[in-house]
Amino acid sequence: DIQMTQSPSSLSASVGDRVTITCRASQVISNSLAWYQQKPGKAPKLLLYAASRLESGVPSRFSGSGSGTDYTLTISSLQPEDFATYFCQQYYSTPPFTFGPGTKVDIK
Amino acid sequence: EVQLVESGGGLVQPGGSLRLSCAASGFTFSSYAMNWVRQAPGKGLEWVSAISGSGGTTYYADSVKGRFTISRDNSKNTLHLQMNSLRADDTAVYYCAKGSPSTVTTRYYFEYWGQGTLVTVSS
Repeated sequence: DIQMTQSPSSLSASVGDRVTITCRASQVISNSLAWYQQKPGKAPKLLLYAASRLESGVPSRFSGSGSGTDYTLTISSLQPEDFATYFCQQYYSTPPFTFGPGTKVDIK
Repeated sequence: EVQLVESGGGLVQPGGSLRLSCAASGFTFSSYAMNWVRQAPGKGLEWVSAISGSGGTTYYADSVKGRFTISRDNSKNTLHLQMNSLRADDTAVYYCAKGSPSTVTTRYYFEYWGQGTLVTVSS
């Protein structure tokens, strides 16, 4: 099974900050990576897929990059509604579908 | 508009059973793989089970294999998860999730999620 790790596990940032979250797979996943945003008490929401493709309706301040085993999610200018937990998920070698442990972004 | 609405959660004793359902609308249900993903209180996301669009192929996480059964009724646009021999560590919010379009049977991400239904296993 492919294991996913994320760093940091949490971060504090201010509105307007540039935020970067890293996701690493235990083996090459060839850009088969999705990012989700989850707010407390709500279901996860798809942000990006294929490592860098923005889901329809998602603001362009979100972007993704990476290759091989290492990927990043960047929020170019953090907005109040972006405070949430972010998960990565690989879908290259499935099942099982595996998620990273999450990165919580809160207000500094 | 895609909608996924879960139901059937609740409090059950260890060793008991529960059947979850997910009513789908807004897309051609039989054309897409469907999944159950769970989240224990304060924890991360764990994929539980998947089923192909036709219902002919199913997959399970090792943690639930032999205890849970996924099924679907394409005539009613409904997904089910039969959970038997429940344990305390099965306590979680269970989400129904639609697989994205894919040319490879199991290589997809989770395009849409329901709001979740809480299952609590406790005596």
